[in-house]
Amino acid sequence: ETGVTQSPTHLIKTRGQQVTLRCSSQSGHNTVSWYQQALGQGPQFIFQYYREEENGRGNFPPRFSGLQFPNYSSELNVNALELDDSALYLCASSLLSGGGPGEQFFGPGTRLTVL
Amino acid sequence: EDQVTQSPEALRLQEGESSSLNCSYTVSGLRGLFWYRQDPGKGPEFLFTLYSAGEEKEKERLKATLTKKESFLHITAPKPEDSATYLCAVHGSSNTGKLIFGQGTTLQVKP
Repeated sequence: ETGVTQSPTHLIKTRGQQVTLRCSSQSGHNTVSWYQQALGQGPQFIFQYYREEENGRGNFPPRFSGLQFPNYSSELNVNALELDDSALYLCASSLLSGGGPGEQFFGPGTRLTVL
Repeated sequence: EDQVTQSPEALRLQEGESSSLNCSYTVSGLRGLFWYRQDPGKGPEFLFTLYSAGEEKEKERLKATLTKKESFLHITAPKPEDSATYLCAVHGSSNTGKLIFGQGTTLQVKP
């Protein structure tokens, strides 16, 4: 069974640039969630994708957007980067079924630094 | 508003010294409480899911319990390799899969 993978591992951008982060979900899972984790804090929910549509969004501005593809992989796009966007970005996959939301399994994360 | 608070923020133990981590939550309609372990610079590793008050789960030296207001992660006779940040999260009343995390407890176990 393949776990959740993310790319790239690390990324350095300058303020105002755009970035795309990628995530491959665990086999058998149909839902991908994205979280932002600042240093010393717990992860903060950005949004979730199910069946290629956004299925809930946290308190993040529209410059944070995403996609889910038919193979359940996903992208997180951030436009007009700000210094405060520097964080560990985590992708989590899960199986959403009639029984409700299941456990979320996280990838290793992408460390984004905005200069 | 759904909220999760963990205490203490940091905990130092000697090898073999048992202790407990606390996770207090406020949520309308709990649909699951989750414990994760996170090593520095890595993604959280799933440990346990608890769904109802009175439920308990065990894995090696870890035991998680749940009441209507809080959860405890008991660590029995910890080893240095148990050193990590332990995160608690809840699925609240929203229909999305949104997890609400606490800020974590950083555990250091000294040999």
